[in-house]
Amino acid sequence: AQSVTQPDIHITVSEGASLELRCNYSYGATPYLFWYVQSPGQGLQLLLKYFSGDTLVQGIKGFEAEFKRSQSSFNLRKPSVHWSDAAEYFCAVGYSWGKFQFGAGTQVVVTP
Amino acid sequence: SQTIHQWPATLVQPVGSPLSLECTVEGTSNPNLYWYRQAAGRGLQLLFYSVGIGQISSEVPQNLSASRPQDRQFILSSKKLLLSDSGFYLCAWSVPSGRVNEQFFGPGTRLTVL
Repeated sequence: AQSVTQPDIHITVSEGASLELRCNYSYGATPYLFWYVQSPGQGLQLLLKYFSGDTLVQGIKGFEAEFKRSQSSFNLRKPSVHWSDAAEYFCAVGYSWGKFQFGAGTQVVVTP
Repeated sequence: SQTIHQWPATLVQPVGSPLSLECTVEGTSNPNLYWYRQAAGRGLQLLFYSVGIGQISSEVPQNLSASRPQDRQFILSSKKLLLSDSGFYLCAWSVPSGRVNEQFFGPGTRLTVL
């Protein structure tokens, strides 16, 4: 069965500091991996996706993620966070023809 | 460009009352459509998905039902709401290509059942 684990429920980071959000997945075939961001009371916005090819993918808002098959991980990074990056972040694995399994999310708080 | 709408944005309903949430997509044809429920701290749970008019698949047994009366309209319903139906409901769509594609989400509906 497919599963997605985001080990960190909550992360606090200072503005200007780097950010890394962890995601581990369990899926028997080639994974299709996604990161979404959700601001309070809003829908989810796609940050980036990995289907194949280069294992380091660039997304919007200065985010990047690296796929590591050996570790079954797809961690999200940003070199320098802005106050506007405070939100909840979801990792997801797509399987079958388009069904997704989402992680439980990581809440990011940015302090001045 | 494609857009997805949900309404209402917020809803407060008494236990036992009916429910109807609507989702519409513009700018695309024959999309795959999805209903998710998001409970606090628990991520997103897929409730229903649809690959075409009148074609609905249910992911979990529950007090809810879904319908797709038109190509770009997806409705979530209940005959009698339970307290446990409270949550944030998200509609999403994806391109129907027979492979995995990103899903695009609507703004959501906050449902509170009292």
